[in-house]
Amino acid sequence: AQSVTQLGSHVSVSEGALVLLRCNYSSSVPPYLFWYVQYPNQGLQLLLKYTSAATLVKGINGFEAEFKKSETSFHLTKPSAHMSDAAEYFCAVSMEYGNKLVFGAGTILRVKS
Amino acid sequence: SQTIHQWPATLVQPVGSPLSLECTVEGTSNPNLYWYRQAAGRGLQLLFYSVGIGQISSEVPQNLSASRPQDRQFILSSKKLLLSDSGFYLCAWDRLAGGPWTGELFFGEGSRLTVL
Repeated sequence: AQSVTQLGSHVSVSEGALVLLRCNYSSSVPPYLFWYVQYPNQGLQLLLKYTSAATLVKGINGFEAEFKKSETSFHLTKPSAHMSDAAEYFCAVSMEYGNKLVFGAGTILRVKS
Repeated sequence: SQTIHQWPATLVQPVGSPLSLECTVEGTSNPNLYWYRQAAGRGLQLLFYSVGIGQISSEVPQNLSASRPQDRQFILSSKKLLLSDSGFYLCAWDRLAGGPWTGELFFGEGSRLTVL
């Protein structure tokens, strides 16, 4: 069964520091990968997605992620954290075109001033 | 443009009482519809999904049921709530009619259920 693992349920960074949120998937074939963000008491919204085109994917709000097949990873990064980035971030995977998404457990990002 | 509405936003119910959460989508037709539950520290758990009216697939055995009486309406129900049913319930849709699959899910604002 497909699965996705997010290392670190909580990540804390200082404002202006690099943000790195980790995501690894289990699959023998390249999957479709997504990062979603959830602000408090709201639904999720798509940050970015990888669908077998460029391995470095740019998303909204300055976030990007790189698909590394050799490491089965899809880590999310942002060069400089902003206070407004504080939220919960979910990595998700789909192993087939049109198949349901499976979400990771989420990582709560805290940004310190 | 497409919008998704969920209600109620907040609900406090006693153990053993019934439940009905409603979700409607506007601005699209024949969407795939999903119910997720989010419990603290456990991420999103897919509960049900539907590809059409009356077509419901259950992902996990549980105390809940879902129905899709109309194309853009998805209802989550329970006859008798358990304490473990507490959580944040999210409705989502995907697949614009006639368009390719993008994998992007569009979520509602969620319904927070507390069972006491």
